[in-house]
Amino acid sequence: QKEVEQDPGPLSVPEGAIVSLNCTYSNSAFQYFMWYRQYSRKGPELLMYTYSSGNKEDGRFTAQVDKSSKYISLFIRDSQPSDSATYLCAMVLFTGTASKLTFGTGTRLQVTL
Amino acid sequence: SQTIHQWPATLVQPVGSPLSLECTVEGTSNPNLYWYRQAAGRGLQLLFYSVGIGQISSEVPQNLSASRPQDRQFILSSKKLLLSDSGFYLCAWSGTFKNYGYTFGSGTRLTVV
Repeated sequence: QKEVEQDPGPLSVPEGAIVSLNCTYSNSAFQYFMWYRQYSRKGPELLMYTYSSGNKEDGRFTAQVDKSSKYISLFIRDSQPSDSATYLCAMVLFTGTASKLTFGTGTRLQVTL
Repeated sequence: SQTIHQWPATLVQPVGSPLSLECTVEGTSNPNLYWYRQAAGRGLQLLFYSVGIGQISSEVPQNLSASRPQDRQFILSSKKLLLSDSGFYLCAWSGTFKNYGYTFGSGTRLTVV
């Protein structure tokens, strides 16, 4: 079993739709949870991070963590064509000297006009 | 502000040839540095990380090696490339424990032929 599971998609939605992206994880030692956005042939960029169960909002993006269920979500409101990208969830584990991120495989999102 | 540089952007190499990918970080000192490989449909796999000059931790046994000759320089190498070394290689850096997210470079797409 992979430590982090993420549906690869692709997920196609019309402009203006609400998008829900999800990941599950198995390692209860993960301490922080992140979402990255990756455009084609580019490096991932950090969108949001959170460490506690509950919701965190930033503009059109909401990150949700449920530690009891080992489940995290990213919601995108009023989706735009510029949101078309691959979204990767990532879980942080501290080793004592460095933070190590374990990534999901990524969900490819296409927002159509 | 901090920036990360990674080159080259694309590389086509024959099987059995050597490899050297370079990554440098500007605007910060003593960063934690990481090499990831991203294969299609498989997400990001951590290859190496370094918490200081000359300190390299390897995550998976493979045909690659890493070195950190200077504080802000991280090099990924191979003596003889295999077909299976093809992929998208990403360098990333992170700061102290209070700066958990990674900042990624723009990546190198390596094709071994």
